[in-house]
Amino acid sequence: DVKVTQSSRYLVKRTGEKVFLECVQDMDHENMFWYRQDPGLGLRLIYFSYDVKMKEKGDIPEGYSVSREKKERFSLILESASTNQTSMYLCASSGSWIYTFGSGTRLTVV
Amino acid sequence: LAKTTQPISMDSYEGQEVNITCSHNNIATNDYITWYQQFPSQGPRFIIQGYKTKVTNEVASLFIPADRKSSTLSLPRVSLSDTAVYYCLVGGRSSYKLIFGSGTRLLVRP
Repeated sequence: DVKVTQSSRYLVKRTGEKVFLECVQDMDHENMFWYRQDPGLGLRLIYFSYDVKMKEKGDIPEGYSVSREKKERFSLILESASTNQTSMYLCASSGSWIYTFGSGTRLTVV
Repeated sequence: LAKTTQPISMDSYEGQEVNITCSHNNIATNDYITWYQQFPSQGPRFIIQGYKTKVTNEVASLFIPADRKSSTLSLPRVSLSDTAVYYCLVGGRSSYKLIFGSGTRLLVRP
């Protein structure tokens, strides 16, 4: 069964901390994505990557960066966490038009 | 990417058939229609994908009329566990970026 694994299910971080969210896929997919999901706002695309070391901004990249050093791993970095980045973060990968999502990381910034 | 319009919410009872219609008037020639299901605190899960006419799998059916400006997801004999948010997405296989709408919140009652 194909899998996208997010390293943490729940995280609590302090304002100003640098936060790393890790995502690993075992499907040899080219494309990987980071979304955040907030009540009333749905899923919004933060960044995506269509190849190793390649990345493109999504709709809400401000305050975030990403790293894709290996095909199977896509990391989301919050350079200086703020309370408005409290959210559910979802990673996904795709080899075609069908996406596989991870279970999500619920991040709380206090 | 074509914009989609779905009902915000629907109610049903166990054992009934549920049909959720999605409108996508600006669908392009090479666009596919894909539906995802999302339970609370989980990532969306692929249900079904189609291009035209009818597609059926073990979970659902997808009906697409000839003009492809709408599609209907049909869930036969729903159970309480089908309570979830259902997203309709439209896009071409050459585009690897998914844009989620608000989805339809389906509530299945006993």
